[in-house]
Amino acid sequence: GDSVTQMEGPVTLSEEAFLTINCTYTATGYPSLFWYVQYPGEGLQLLLKATKADDKGSNKGFEATYRKETTSFHLEKGSVQVSDSAVYFCALSDLTGNQFYFGTGTSLTVIP
Amino acid sequence: DVKVTQSSRYLVKRTGEKVFLECVQDMDHENMFWYRQDPGLGLRLIYFSYDVKMKEKGDIPEGYSVSREKKERFSLILESASTNQTSMYLCASSTQTGGSSYEQYFGPGTRLTVT
Repeated sequence: GDSVTQMEGPVTLSEEAFLTINCTYTATGYPSLFWYVQYPGEGLQLLLKATKADDKGSNKGFEATYRKETTSFHLEKGSVQVSDSAVYFCALSDLTGNQFYFGTGTSLTVIP
Repeated sequence: DVKVTQSSRYLVKRTGEKVFLECVQDMDHENMFWYRQDPGLGLRLIYFSYDVKMKEKGDIPEGYSVSREKKERFSLILESASTNQTSMYLCASSTQTGGSSYEQYFGPGTRLTVT
C-alpha cells in the first residue's frame, strides 16, 4: 500500500543554517505530496504542496520538489530562523483523495 | 480561507464519562477526519466520513464512535472515557472535487486528559 517515510529527528540547527528533511514515498500512480508544519500546541498547517512530477512547492522560504524517479519530496530551506522551530510532516494523498498518509514527523529546533 | 474549528482546546474528563468532541468546517467539504496524535506515534486515523450520515473506520476505531448529521459538523464520541484515551485529537476536512489536490485542513486540536 501507499506510505510515506521521513527522516527521524529531532533535528537541531543554528539560526541561518541550511535545512533538509528527507521524505520518500511509496504509491501507485501519481499522488499529491504535501508538507505540513505543526507549531507547539497547535494543529497542522499546510506548508506547501506539489501535484505532479517535477513540480516545486514553495512557501515562507521552504521548498520541495516532487521527484518521481527517486520517489522523494525533500523539504529544504536555505536559512532557518528560530521561528521555524516546529514539527514537520510529509504526507501524500492518493488519486481519489480518500486515503491520506502521513510520515511520523520530524521535530526541528533552531537555536539562536 | 478554510476554517476548521474544534469545540475545545483543552478538556479534562473523568474515567467512564461520555465525551463529545465537536468539529465544524466552513468550506462545504465532503470529507472529514478525526485523528489522535501521541508522542512517538505520529497521527493515527480514528474515523472518517465522505458524506452526511456516512462513516468509515480508520486505523484505531476501538473505544470511539462518530456522528455526521450535517455536512459541516463531525463529532467524535468517547462512549466511556479511559485514561489511555488521553491524547491530542485533531479534526480535518478536505474536498472531493475533481482536479483538487485533496489537501487536508486541520483544526487547532483538542488536548483531552482523562483522569
